[in-house]
Amino acid sequence: GENVEQHPSTLSVQEGDSAVIKCTYSDSASNYFPWYKQELGKRPQLIIDIRSNVGEKKDQRIAVTLNKTAKHFSLHITETQPEDSAVYFCAAVKAAGNKLTFGGGTRVLVKP
Amino acid sequence: NAGVTQTPKFRILKIGQSMTLQCTQDMNHNYMYWYRQDPGMGLKLIYYSVGAGITDKGEVPNGYNVSRSTTEDFPLRLELAAPSQTSVYFCASSYSNGGYNEQFFGPGTRLTVL
Repeated sequence: GENVEQHPSTLSVQEGDSAVIKCTYSDSASNYFPWYKQELGKRPQLIIDIRSNVGEKKDQRIAVTLNKTAKHFSLHITETQPEDSAVYFCAAVKAAGNKLTFGGGTRVLVKP
Repeated sequence: NAGVTQTPKFRILKIGQSMTLQCTQDMNHNYMYWYRQDPGMGLKLIYYSVGAGITDKGEVPNGYNVSRSTTEDFPLRLELAAPSQTSVYFCASSYSNGGYNEQFFGPGTRLTVL
C-alpha cells in the first residue's frame, strides 16, 4: 500500500518568515495530493491540493510543488502569521481507490 | 447544509463495552470514510464505503464494524472496547464519479476506553 512520510514533525518560525513542509510518497500510481490544516481540537480542513499533471499551484500565501519523478511534494507558506499556527498534514490518493493516506503531520508554531 | 455530523462528541467506555458512533452527511456524497487519530499522530483509515450496501476495510479495521444501508448514514460499531481504541474518530464524505474530490470531515468523536 501507499506510505507517506512527512518532515519536519515540528517547525517554529518567526512571524513574517516562510515555512516549508516536505512529504514523500511510495506509490507511483498516486495522483492527487491534498494538504490539510488542523487546529487544536478541530477537524482537518483542506487548504490546497495538487494533481499529478501539475507541477505547482499557488493560493495567496500558500503554494504546493510536486516532483513526480522523485515522488515528493512540498507545502510553502510565505509571510507567516500567528493564525497559521496549527498541525498540517499531507496526503496522497490513488484515484482508483479514493483513499487518503496521511503523513504523520507537522506542528507549526508561528512566534509573534 | 449541515455537512457531516457525528454523535456523540465525547464518550467514555469501560473495557469490554460496545458502542456505535453515528455519522450522517446531507451532501448526497457517495463515498464515506471512518478515520481514527491517535494523540500527536496522523489519521488512519478504518473502513470506507463507495455507496449504499458496499463497504471495505482500510488500514486499521480490527475491532470495528460498519454498515451502509443508506447514502446518508455510515455508523461505526466498536465491539468489546479496548484501551488501544482510545482515540478521536473522524467521519468524512466525498463525491466521486471516477476522479478524486475533496473529503469533508465531521467534527469528530473523542473516545476514551478505561
